[in-house]
Amino acid sequence: QVTLRESGPALVKPTQTLTLTCTFSGFSLSTSGMCVSWIRQPPGKALEWLALIDWDDDKYYSTSLKTRLTISKDTSKNQVVLTMTNMDPVDTATYYCARMDILTGYYIDYWGQGTLVTVSS
Amino acid sequence: DIQMTQSPSSLSASVGDRVTITCRASQGISNYLAWYQQKPGKVPKLLIYAASTLQSGVPSRFSGSGSGTDFTLTISSLQPEDVATYYCQKYNSAPHTFGGGTKVEIK
Repeated sequence: QVTLRESGPALVKPTQTLTLTCTFSGFSLSTSGMCVSWIRQPPGKALEWLALIDWDDDKYYSTSLKTRLTISKDTSKNQVVLTMTNMDPVDTATYYCARMDILTGYYIDYWGQGTLVTVSS
Repeated sequence: DIQMTQSPSSLSASVGDRVTITCRASQGISNYLAWYQQKPGKVPKLLIYAASTLQSGVPSRFSGSGSGTDFTLTISSLQPEDVATYYCQKYNSAPHTFGGGTKVEIK
């Protein structure tokens, strides 16, 4: 059974760096084809794709946010970490991590429950 | 980057109506398109992948079509439990951009 769970601070101040952790089970990021993405959704707004890391440690970022994002993995802990620098109130959103299996398709087949991050002083 | 444009942004239809949502890519993406359903306060759920393949367990009233730049999600007979926002997503290559969403309500 595949599960993903996001964790991190619920509140960050403007200009701070956000660090979110995705802890997953039911698959391994050392298995060929496995990928984890981060997606966010501001309150009442659309989904926005942020970043992806794959089994081979290839990393991909949103063009508009790539200067602020870093994605990494710890295969031994079954974790993926996303950092976002210079946080602003417009970054207030629910942040989701999600899994893709490139061997069946690059679409998202499992989502975490999401974690709401509020940016405010 | 390839942009994904959904239309309409919202719609209201009666129970039993046929509902069609369109997603257009600014460049061709073959059939690397997924549709997700997000009910209020819930996590998105995969409905369709590869433009037209129904995910296991999804009711057969949902269908997808299209290839290249133009795609369609159809609900053949709208049900009250279909009230949700629907998103398309390209996944041929990064970035895996989402469309802006279509909110479906019951009239």
